[in-house]
Amino acid sequence: SQKIEQNSEALNIQEGKTATLTCNYTNYSPAYLQWYRQDPGRGPVFLLLIRENEKEKRKERLKVTFDTTLKQSLFHITASQPADSATYLCALVPSYSSASKIIFGSGTRLSIRP
Amino acid sequence: NAGVTQTPKFQVLKTGQSMTLQCAQDMNHEYMSWYRQDPGMGLRLIHYSVGAGITDQGEVPNGYNVSRSTTEDFPLRLLSAAPSQTSVYFCASSYLTGRDEQYFGPGTRLTVT
Repeated sequence: SQKIEQNSEALNIQEGKTATLTCNYTNYSPAYLQWYRQDPGRGPVFLLLIRENEKEKRKERLKVTFDTTLKQSLFHITASQPADSATYLCALVPSYSSASKIIFGSGTRLSIRP
Repeated sequence: NAGVTQTPKFQVLKTGQSMTLQCAQDMNHEYMSWYRQDPGMGLRLIHYSVGAGITDQGEVPNGYNVSRSTTEDFPLRLLSAAPSQTSVYFCASSYLTGRDEQYFGPGTRLTVT
């Protein structure tokens, strides 16, 4: 069956270190993969999009990689800060669909301690 | 721009009651969608629309109705509320399709007793 998995356990990182979050999927052929940030009590906010033919995308301190062989995306936050503490969601857009149905992972909670 | 707005922020219903969750966007986006978010389940797509007059079902459509009479508005109707519909509901919009970045509203927390 189709699955998209993010580490359900919270990730605790010391300020200044690099945080790495994982998104694994099975039985999908994603055309796109998106990453969102969600703060408690608020809606998700879009961060980055990476296409299947792109290996890496960067935006300021954020970096996303996409390995279609491993069926995995990694999301990195370098020089992490307490303000980066939030839940991070990955989302797939399957290539077989009309691109109207995004599938979200359940998210990983990231906590940056000072 | 207000972005995506949702009302109400909180709602408590009794089993069997009906209600409408409102969603509006002022960005002239064609694509709008409704999600529910439950602990450990992630965001699940309920219904979506690719333009005024066009709607389609998502992953968990049962018990919900939608319509899209204008580009701006996409209300979600609960026909006969059940405790299983207790959740946080998010409306989202994007420029053209589900491939584009999604703009989410602040959410409605619904409790059905």
